[in-house]
Amino acid sequence: DAGITQSPRHKVTETGTPVTLRCHQTENHRYMYWYRQDPGHGLRLIHYSYGVKDTDKGEVSDGYSVSRSKTEDFLLTLESATSSQTSVYFCAISGGPPGELFFGEGSRLTVL
Amino acid sequence: AQTVTQSQPEMSVQEAETVTLSCTYDTSENNYYLFWYKQPPSRQMILVIRQEAYKQQNATENRFSVNFQKAAKSFSLKISDSQLGDTAMYFCAFMTPYSGAGSYQLTFGKGTKLSVIP
Repeated sequence: DAGITQSPRHKVTETGTPVTLRCHQTENHRYMYWYRQDPGHGLRLIHYSYGVKDTDKGEVSDGYSVSRSKTEDFLLTLESATSSQTSVYFCAISGGPPGELFFGEGSRLTVL
Repeated sequence: AQTVTQSQPEMSVQEAETVTLSCTYDTSENNYYLFWYKQPPSRQMILVIRQEAYKQQNATENRFSVNFQKAAKSFSLKISDSQLGDTAMYFCAFMTPYSGAGSYQLTFGKGTKLSVIP
């Protein structure tokens, strides 16, 4: 199994509070991704990274920011959480095309 | 922008039977990759099968095979001899392998929930 871990795995927070999710890999892969999964929408890309300090927006990036200061860590931050950000968040890594994406186990976030 | 459409939100199949899941996509690119991912109740995303667009031969992995119709932009997944462990959400996904930084993304369909009935 690919070495990818997400933390925390579960979190409940209140509207307006900041939240940071962490993705950690031990594979030294160049590409890292954050997706959110919601019923009826499948997986949608939030942000991704193609190297240290190199990131770009995905399809649903509003309200989210990311940082990658080291190859192994990719952080997703919700500056001020809203109820619409209640979701399951998946981190994924890849060594590059045409390689597959390896996914973490997901982080369930509930914003009350 | 690329789009991926899975027109069957839910399907069911009897154990040991064969089932086909549909996927269509829209792109103007000629070189790309297509994937089927499986997500069982454990929530873990697992790669089932991969197809390179430049290959005419359909990919197969044990009981899983695809019917890739490039002109029709269709990429269906056939599961033979269905097993209870095949019960999962199945996602079709599309990727274009741009060489430029920042352009390598995977776009998913909304998924098909497959139930294998004993």
